[in-house]
Amino acid sequence: GAGVSQSPRYKVTKRGQDVALRCDPISGHVSLYWYRQALGQGPEFLTYFNYEAQQDKSGLPNDRFSAERPEGSISTLTIQRTEQRDSAMYRCASSSYQETQYFGPGTRLLVL
Amino acid sequence: GEDVEQSLFLSVREGDSSVINCTYTDSSSTYLYWYKQEPGAGLQLLTYIFSNMDMKQDQRLTVLLNKKDKHLSLRIADTQTGDSAIYFCAERTGGSYIPTFGRGTSLIVHP
Repeated sequence: GAGVSQSPRYKVTKRGQDVALRCDPISGHVSLYWYRQALGQGPEFLTYFNYEAQQDKSGLPNDRFSAERPEGSISTLTIQRTEQRDSAMYRCASSSYQETQYFGPGTRLLVL
Repeated sequence: GEDVEQSLFLSVREGDSSVINCTYTDSSSTYLYWYKQEPGAGLQLLTYIFSNMDMKQDQRLTVLLNKKDKHLSLRIADTQTGDSAIYFCAERTGGSYIPTFGRGTSLIVHP
């Protein structure tokens, strides 16, 4: 595709619900990254994949957060039992093998 | 303290030059980036520089790197209203594939 796409662009959910955020990387990019960005802050790393293998998940804040990329292309970030503090912009980026990253538009998550 | 620091705001007049500054702490930083974030859009990669370079120019953009002082700057010549955005500085080392971002500098361009 022309760029990284993410869906939904906006998600409003109630506390305690599970949410799944999707990322579709640039075609051919083998590395995929997830970030979380709070208001007034830069993106903070969550996790990344090379192909379908999760290489580093050290940035996931707790075990309610998980990510997968089963076929080495589209990735899903899942947040279980959402809490208000999970409200943020979630950004996905992709790159050629561990090179310069190109970001998608992000998913704005609001937990009520 | 933060690994990457930027001033939060910069206001310039249309047609003037803008200079956005960034300092970082990791002396082993290998790649340094400038990203632009417009409302409702993703982070757009503007330019990057390798640590073995002092300067990089790309049309209206000039990046200067002072490794000794761990200081990176982005100069935008002939700033236009369309340049109004948040600019993020980021650095990463060769051994890590994950860049560390600053908090971003909001550039406001007024007539």
